[in-house]
Amino acid sequence: GAGVSQSPSNKVTEKGKDVELRCDPISGHTALYWYRQRLGQGLEFLIYFQGNSAPDKSGLPSDRFSAERTGESVSTLTIQRTQQEDSAVYLCASSMTSGGPLFDTQYFGPGTRLTVL
Amino acid sequence: RKEVEQDPGPFNVPEGATVAFNCTYSNSASQSFFWYRQDCRKEPKLLMSVYSSGNEDGRFTAQLNRASQYISLLIRDSKLSDSATYLCVVIPYMDTGRRALTFGSGTRLQVQP
Repeated sequence: GAGVSQSPSNKVTEKGKDVELRCDPISGHTALYWYRQRLGQGLEFLIYFQGNSAPDKSGLPSDRFSAERTGESVSTLTIQRTQQEDSAVYLCASSMTSGGPLFDTQYFGPGTRLTVL
Repeated sequence: RKEVEQDPGPFNVPEGATVAFNCTYSNSASQSFFWYRQDCRKEPKLLMSVYSSGNEDGRFTAQLNRASQYISLLIRDSKLSDSATYLCVVIPYMDTGRRALTFGSGTRLQVQP
């Protein structure tokens, strides 16, 4: 079936502008994650959605970052007043559920490469 | 100390060689362990889960040592196509039910002809 999709694949913006990144998880996956990966670095957890539960926002680096998810479908990550240090690849992943090792496998989208000039 | 630590490498090995990576984790409550592979400028892809009893998938063997809090990945008969960054993923169970996914920064492998 279809994998995780993200759009846009590349985004170049000017410092101070707002950007919105989109993630379409695999159908039926209740858990959705956003990560950030700076060049040459590991993945940095940003936010986690599980079904209709309140999202875990503990990884968001500042209040300029926010994310929403409609039910168990599409999620959007919004970065307001972008800064140059926001430049990174933003990866979305989904998994069937967050309970039990069998279902923890996360499938990643291709990412959105954000460049803030 | 980082929650998950990996030697960044690079590990430069000839084709056909056997190479092993370790990954140490600091949270003893960690429950799930995975190895992901990430090719240059691509998204991470699951390579294999790591089970307590150890598991093998073709040329790849993963092992978990809970006492010493590390997982390992062994690659036998290296191929050029194995060149990538290998990410260690550790997931503890939290009372809230959330799995705080923690990725290591990766170990880069370069297999040379």
